[in-house]
Amino acid sequence: AQKVTQAQTEISVVEKEDVTLDCVYETRDTTYYLFWYKQPPSGELVFLIRRNSFDEQNEISGRYSWNFQKSTSSFNFTITASQVVDSAVYFCALSEGGYSTLTFGKGTMLLVSP
Amino acid sequence: GAVVSQHPSWVICKSGTSVKIECRSLDFQATTMFWYRQFPKQSLMLMATSNEGSKATYEQGVEKDKFLINHASLTLSTLTVTSAHPEDSSFYICSAPSGSMNTEAFFGQGTRLTVV
Repeated sequence: AQKVTQAQTEISVVEKEDVTLDCVYETRDTTYYLFWYKQPPSGELVFLIRRNSFDEQNEISGRYSWNFQKSTSSFNFTITASQVVDSAVYFCALSEGGYSTLTFGKGTMLLVSP
Repeated sequence: GAVVSQHPSWVICKSGTSVKIECRSLDFQATTMFWYRQFPKQSLMLMATSNEGSKATYEQGVEKDKFLINHASLTLSTLTVTSAHPEDSSFYICSAPSGSMNTEAFFGQGTRLTVV
């Protein structure tokens, strides 16, 4: 069965600091997809990235970057030069095979203070 | 990108009443939709899979008679919380797959249900 672990429950940083959110996953499938979502206080899930298991290239999008390492079953997310607007709960999620359902981690609450 | 619209965004109802939540795929067809529930400060947990033209499949521990799901068309799934109780107060959010091989996951805005 699949499992996603986000060991960091809450992280507090000061604006402009870099912060890395950890995600470790477990799956028996060789084909799977990993996701990151942002959930601001309003509740909606904001899609950030989807990565398939055959693509281990790291990705950078503006201040966001992702480090996918199959050897350690990790898909970590780094925010560079954090801003107050980055404050939210961030979820890592896993989907096995073709898209069926998502298994979410417990989320990491990020608080960026000015 | 694909859009999933969920309505209402929030609802307050009295204990014992029923509440219907709609989930629509606006620019694509979804033969399958998923309903998740999120209790305060918790993660999202899959409740059920809504299938167009057939019965929904429920996750273990989810009462199918309490959470009625109807997938009336290729663009609409509804979740009805029947005889709601305060413990049903939660954030309900739907999802629909899209993209090639259904590998994209699009979520509605979510519905915050408060039962008083």
